[in-house]
Amino acid sequence: DQQVKQNSPSLSVQEGRISILNCDYTNSMFDYFLWYKKYPAEGPTFLISISSIKDKNEDGRFTVFLNKSAKHLSLHIVPSQPGDSAVYFCAASERGGTYKYIFGTGTRLKVLA
Amino acid sequence: GAVVSQHPSRVICKSGTSVKIECRSLDFQATTMFWYRQFPKKSLMLMATSNEGSKATYEQGVEKDKFLINHASLTLSTLTVTSAHPEDSSFYICSARVANQETQYFGPGTRLLVL
Repeated sequence: DQQVKQNSPSLSVQEGRISILNCDYTNSMFDYFLWYKKYPAEGPTFLISISSIKDKNEDGRFTVFLNKSAKHLSLHIVPSQPGDSAVYFCAASERGGTYKYIFGTGTRLKVLA
Repeated sequence: GAVVSQHPSRVICKSGTSVKIECRSLDFQATTMFWYRQFPKKSLMLMATSNEGSKATYEQGVEKDKFLINHASLTLSTLTVTSAHPEDSSFYICSARVANQETQYFGPGTRLLVL
């Protein structure tokens, strides 16, 4: 049972344009969400997070939006840069639990120069 | 800050041998460490949660006698793959979390190849 899903395995975007990566979850107990960026043969790098009491969090070029009613979150990268090309994972957790993360399946972003 | 290291970065071993992977938090004390496994082009699958000074909690389907986890200090956790088989070949990644913070910081991963 995949509790966190990223339905787009890949995405290509032109440099300078907006990249939008989507993530859906099924467990209504999740109350903390994160996005990580990962290069091959490396560990994930934390990008941005959002708690369920918010619907938006912004950090530089990265903005995460949370729609609790739809159990959906998205990561917007503006403007996209070639260095952003990587695999992006969303993750969800329950704060009151063990803090373990459930990861989505990942979306490979390619930013074209 | 929040740097996590793993050693070794890559290991090749013969079937039947045991391999130990170390995970260290370099600039903070990690009350909890997590071990993940990633198959090619797949997501990160949580194997176990490790709290300092207590037994690890394993996810369903993960054999605790096969994957021994020791969290001896607030900066070190080890994963030992015992009697390794070719199907254990994978990318193993650890992460560490500070008490009262949600964010996990990940190590660079260890590529294990069992021949």
